[in-house]
Amino acid sequence: DSGVTQTPKHLITATGQRVTLRCSPRSGDLSVYWYQQSLDQGLQFLIQYYNGEERAKGNILERFSAQQFPDLHSELNLSSLELGDSALYFCASSVRGLGGELFFGEGSRLTVL
Amino acid sequence: GQQVMQIPQYQHVQEGEDFTTYCNSSTTLSNIQWYKQRPGGHPVFLIQLVKSGEVKKQKRLTFQFGEAKKNSSLHITATQTTDVGTYFCADYYGGSQGNLIFGKGTKLSVKP
Repeated sequence: DSGVTQTPKHLITATGQRVTLRCSPRSGDLSVYWYQQSLDQGLQFLIQYYNGEERAKGNILERFSAQQFPDLHSELNLSSLELGDSALYFCASSVRGLGGELFFGEGSRLTVL
Repeated sequence: GQQVMQIPQYQHVQEGEDFTTYCNSSTTLSNIQWYKQRPGGHPVFLIQLVKSGEVKKQKRLTFQFGEAKKNSSLHITATQTTDVGTYFCADYYGGSQGNLIFGKGTKLSVKP
């Protein structure tokens, strides 16, 4: 158990819909990272937050947005969903804003039909 | 942008054989991290290498960081079925930014 909690674990929805994925970092961790992993693909970096502020942005689509709240939990919002958005979405946390190991949650598996 | 290239993409070995995966970059790497993802699981941190030429060992696993900090390797001696999974290397891109960029990984299968 990494201490990072992601909900929901599984989500099935239709094209055009909007979903929100939630992540609670490890106690004391200030950074939250979001990654997308498609079938048999690597981990694509989406976005990072540190202590409530956006720190770094990867290849995140404009249809996707995220935020980190004062209690440090984070949400990833995916809208106008397309079939290609079906993937495993991982949240990870770390103590620092840069450097140090990441602790990954178990992921949220999104299926868009 | 910076890319971390991993080879091979797949490796099939007989139990007891050795295994090596390589991570290469055209630019200088800051710190290299290695993660393991078991089938159906999430990535788990293995180690971080910081210094040029650094070598670290964890039981049957040996991690190396190249002298020029442009490559790294993970070597497993005498593989076991518990070593099955995908091994990723990762590096922070952009120095002061937080993008931890992962290689595409090497998927290891071990035949008993």
